[in-house]
Amino acid sequence: SQQGEEDPQALSIQEGENATMNCSYKTSINNLQWYRQNSGRGLVHLILIRSNEREKHSGRLRVTLDTSKKSSSLLITASRAADTASYFCATGSVGSGYALNFGKGTSLLVTP
Amino acid sequence: SAVISQKPSRDICQRGTSLTIQCQVDSQVTMMFWYRQQPGQSLTLIATANQGSEATYESGFVIDKFPISRPNLTFSTLTVSNMSPEDSSIYLCSVERTGENYGYTFGSGTRLTVV
Repeated sequence: SQQGEEDPQALSIQEGENATMNCSYKTSINNLQWYRQNSGRGLVHLILIRSNEREKHSGRLRVTLDTSKKSSSLLITASRAADTASYFCATGSVGSGYALNFGKGTSLLVTP
Repeated sequence: SAVISQKPSRDICQRGTSLTIQCQVDSQVTMMFWYRQQPGQSLTLIATANQGSEATYESGFVIDKFPISRPNLTFSTLTVSNMSPEDSSIYLCSVERTGENYGYTFGSGTRLTVV
């Protein structure tokens, strides 16, 4: 069953601006992951943050995790038109072979 | 890290027919996961396929409708049987990547339209 809830559902910004997407979840997790999906194609893994981490960076991506509030945020800095995609958070258990539980996603549009 | 080849990438099918989707992984994996993504929606897990045993289905999905095969550690198929327009979705397979670059790898998806 779906666990994550992203907001906003849709976000429209201009190139160069920062985009922030939030995700909330309901149960205890071992890790939270963010994925990108372009035009209904396969998902691309962006970044994983473990439950004992609070912040993680990867290039222009910054992810935070607040386990007390059961929430996470994904920040994309200096956005580009190529960042236009749907972004999903997903929760899972490390190394246990369990499937991911996905949120509803945020549709990001970056205009030149 | 694992690379998945998923076929077909898209298909348009008549109602009442069946479609089999294939996923080939370039390395051996224990679990493979099949998801459905209805138009404009998120991913919903259909079933988990473990080699050598029957797939485990999530609530709302049954083997008669979505039979799954897992003949070896690198391959799996999902069949969408007796299709109706409500089955129009993107279907994706996924595997877990272990090790330093932990995460999940997804196939490129099969966009199914039932007419």
